Amino acid sequence: GAGVSQSPSNKVTEKGKDVELRCDPISGHTALYWYRQRLGQGLEFLIYFQGNSAPDKSGLPSDRFSAERTGESVSTLTIQRTQQEDSAVYLCASSLVAGSGNTIYFGEGSWLTVV
Amino acid sequence: AQSVTQLGSHVSVSEGALVLLRCNYSSSVPPYLFWYVQYPNQGLQLLLKYTTGATLVKGINGFEAEFKKSETSFHLTKPSAHMSDAAEYFCAVSDILTGGGNKLTFGTGTQLKVEL
Repeated sequence: GAGVSQSPSNKVTEKGKDVELRCDPISGHTALYWYRQRLGQGLEFLIYFQGNSAPDKSGLPSDRFSAERTGESVSTLTIQRTQQEDSAVYLCASSLVAGSGNTIYFGEGSWLTVV
Repeated sequence: AQSVTQLGSHVSVSEGALVLLRCNYSSSVPPYLFWYVQYPNQGLQLLLKYTTGATLVKGINGFEAEFKKSETSFHLTKPSAHMSDAAEYFCAVSDILTGGGNKLTFGTGTQLKVEL
């Protein structure tokens, strides 16, 4: 597609439920990233994919968070047993290849509210 | 580890006035630096980036930033503010991830308000 696409754009869930957030990167982009943005704060790195593998998961806040990527394309971020502190905007991004100088393109985010 | 400090969480300017948003970074290696803009209810859009070469970088919408190694700064400027510039601006520094990926470490953002 023309840009990074994320769904759902908004999700309200009850505490303790599981949620899945989906990301479609720009076609042909091999690197894919997930970030989290809490209200009034900067962006926190969660996980990075190169192809279908995730060499860096260092930002995942707990074992309730997991992500996968298939077909070197779509990625799903799963949050199990959601807590109120999980409420945030989850941003997906992609870049053509990995590397420090390469431009990373962001989606519009999935707004998650845990009640 | 890399880090970024943005001075001033809120900046207010008059339309037509100079915009100056401050960013200082900490890096143990030559940094790659970025400015992103986030309009309400939208994703992040790249304004400009510094990788190597010329230290004055020009971006979209009339913005530019200058990399000053001696001051560890990468301040964002625009000579004349426009109402449409009202948004949140994020400075970021790039780090290498395991596997070669590009981890951006972001500042906490500066909300720019433009007044008539």
